[in-house]
Amino acid sequence: IQMTQSPSSLSASVGDRVTITCRASQSVTKYLNWYQQTPGKAPNLLIYAASSLQSGVPSRFSGSGSGTDFTLTISSLQLEDFATYYCQQTYITPPTFGQGTKVEIK
Amino acid sequence: EVQLLESGGGLVQPGGSLSLSCAASGFSFSSYVMSWVRQAPGRGLEWVSSTSGTGSSSYYADSVKGRFTISREYSSNTLFLQMNSLRAEDTAVYYCVKPGASTSWYVFDSWGQGTLVTVSS
Repeated sequence: IQMTQSPSSLSASVGDRVTITCRASQSVTKYLNWYQQTPGKAPNLLIYAASSLQSGVPSRFSGSGSGTDFTLTISSLQLEDFATYYCQQTYITPPTFGQGTKVEIK
Repeated sequence: EVQLLESGGGLVQPGGSLSLSCAASGFSFSSYVMSWVRQAPGRGLEWVSSTSGTGSSSYYADSVKGRFTISREYSSNTLFLQMNSLRAEDTAVYYCVKPGASTSWYVFDSWGQGTLVTVSS
């Protein structure tokens, strides 16, 4: 299953609302996860099962969607949120990731 | 606290072999699927391989099938990745990863720090 994220990159300011979309080439029902990666670090799980917030992740992060179309929303962007975000489907083996969305400071 | 510590990365010539290790601690090793995920320099994430808690089932990405072998040793709580016939396109940071639930295969909530494998002459 191919995962396509949009945009590939975006520029935003602290306090902005940011939305990243992820589209699957076929339905993955709710088997969709989101990860955040900062430079030089391992990825960090943010959202699993499309909309469930991983323990310890701030509530400004939220996920929605089902089937083929999903969104990750950051309600009020903070400095520590400037990073690259990846979606991942776990509906079918092999699990596949989107190409990533880099969130940069405007 | 879950800890995953990879080792074994380095520089290897095309066609060569390398073995990666991941020392796991802080959880019941035999109860969880364990996996390897890689990231080429400046690129995205790619799942490489997973093995069940018992080691009886293993899966591989098409890009590494027949060249890489995943295994685990329970006495030392260590996950391995034997990589043979290495190619330039295998150059990447390799992460050892664990799912958050023992019933999950691929929702990775714990990651090691990664080990860099460079395939070059």
